[in-house]
Amino acid sequence: GQSLEQPSEVTAVEGAIVQINCTYQTSGFYGLSWYQQHDGGAPTFLSYNGLDGLEETGRFSSFLSRSDSYGYLLLQELQMKDSASYFCAVRQDTNAGKSTFGDGTTLTVKP
Amino acid sequence: EPEVTQTPSHQVTQMGQEVILRCVPISNHLYFYWYRQILGQKVEFLVSFYNNEISEKSEIFDDQFSVERPDGSNFTLKIRSTKLEDSAMYFCASRRSTSGGLETQYFGPGTRLLVL
Repeated sequence: GQSLEQPSEVTAVEGAIVQINCTYQTSGFYGLSWYQQHDGGAPTFLSYNGLDGLEETGRFSSFLSRSDSYGYLLLQELQMKDSASYFCAVRQDTNAGKSTFGDGTTLTVKP
Repeated sequence: EPEVTQTPSHQVTQMGQEVILRCVPISNHLYFYWYRQILGQKVEFLVSFYNNEISEKSEIFDDQFSVERPDGSNFTLKIRSTKLEDSAMYFCASRRSTSGGLETQYFGPGTRLLVL
């Protein structure tokens, strides 16, 4: 089966840097995605790692180590609007590439 | 910017009734998905659809569920004989292709289904 672990909650202050970790156990691993979800909203794609290393997109970066079955999302220069849930999701190596989501991490950014 | 749309935004139904949730994926996308999210829980994969047929489905997607792409634009999820536990937010998503590593799945705004 598939399992992903990420912290349930993280709190940080505006302007700070926060790292959300994700470890996974899965068959047919293809890549790791990160999604942001505000209350009542749809998941929004943030980042994807298919290869080991760091991917940077503005204030957000994501890292993957396939050998460690581990990845993280790094959020820099935190803003109040970054308060949301963040999900890691394993993209599997099937034709349509279904994604299995983690339970999500609720990030609270305080002034 | 093109986006995935879903209708209705909210649906209330009586237990045992059938519902059809509708999605219009982004027009040049080839892969389509349905996910559901029970309130306060994680997003769960239901089914993927490619080349006019189901590509994968989860254990949740039993005979009660079916999907269809009746024309070139719509992608529907039918839930027969709804149960209380079917109450959730249902998200449609689409993805362009696998070539070039285009892995982004674009999610629609969701349909909130409430079964009474």
